[in-house]
Amino acid sequence: GAGVSQSPSNKVTEKGKDVELRCDPISGHTALYWYRQSLGQGLEFLIYFQGNSAPDKSGLPSDRFSAERTGGSVSTLTIQRTQQEDSAVYLCASSLAGARANTEAFFGQGTRLTVV
Amino acid sequence: QKEVEQNSGPLSVPEGAIASLNCTYSDRGSQSFFWYRQYSGKSPELIMSIYSNGDKEDGRFTAQLNKASQYVSLLIRDSQPSDSATYLCAVRLYNFNKFYFGSGTKLNVKP
Repeated sequence: GAGVSQSPSNKVTEKGKDVELRCDPISGHTALYWYRQSLGQGLEFLIYFQGNSAPDKSGLPSDRFSAERTGGSVSTLTIQRTQQEDSAVYLCASSLAGARANTEAFFGQGTRLTVV
Repeated sequence: QKEVEQNSGPLSVPEGAIASLNCTYSDRGSQSFFWYRQYSGKSPELIMSIYSNGDKEDGRFTAQLNKASQYVSLLIRDSQPSDSATYLCAVRLYNFNKFYFGSGTKLNVKP
């Protein structure tokens, strides 16, 4: 597609339920990132995928959070046993890969998650 | 110490003035620098990237990079009310693809 696509746009879930958030990166972008943004706050890094390399999971806040990327394209972020503090906007971004300097990252529209 | 520091603002400027947004970073290995604009309730939108010391101009926007002093700035000339948003500074380290974001500076352009 022309841009990074995320679904759903909004998700309301009950505390304790599992949720899955989807990200479809820009075609040809092999690097994919997940960030979280709580209301009025900055971007919190969650996880980064680069091609077939092992993902950088250093930002995942707990073992309730996991992510996978199938076929080097679409990624799914899963939050198990959701808590109210998980409420935030989850942003996905993608970029060209490699150590080149000019790897600009482009964001999707985000998924607003509300845990009630 | 945060990788990227920004003044949270708000920075208020009158319409038509120059808005100056600043960002400092801690890692001298930082190679690439980016400015994103984020309107309330929207996702960040890339507006400028800069990789070499000096100035880079794009329309009303000028990015300035000084690696020796470890700061990057964004100038917005002829500011418009539609420029009112939060501006995020991001850096990428050499040979790493992870982007580090500042917490953003809120800009208000008053008509």
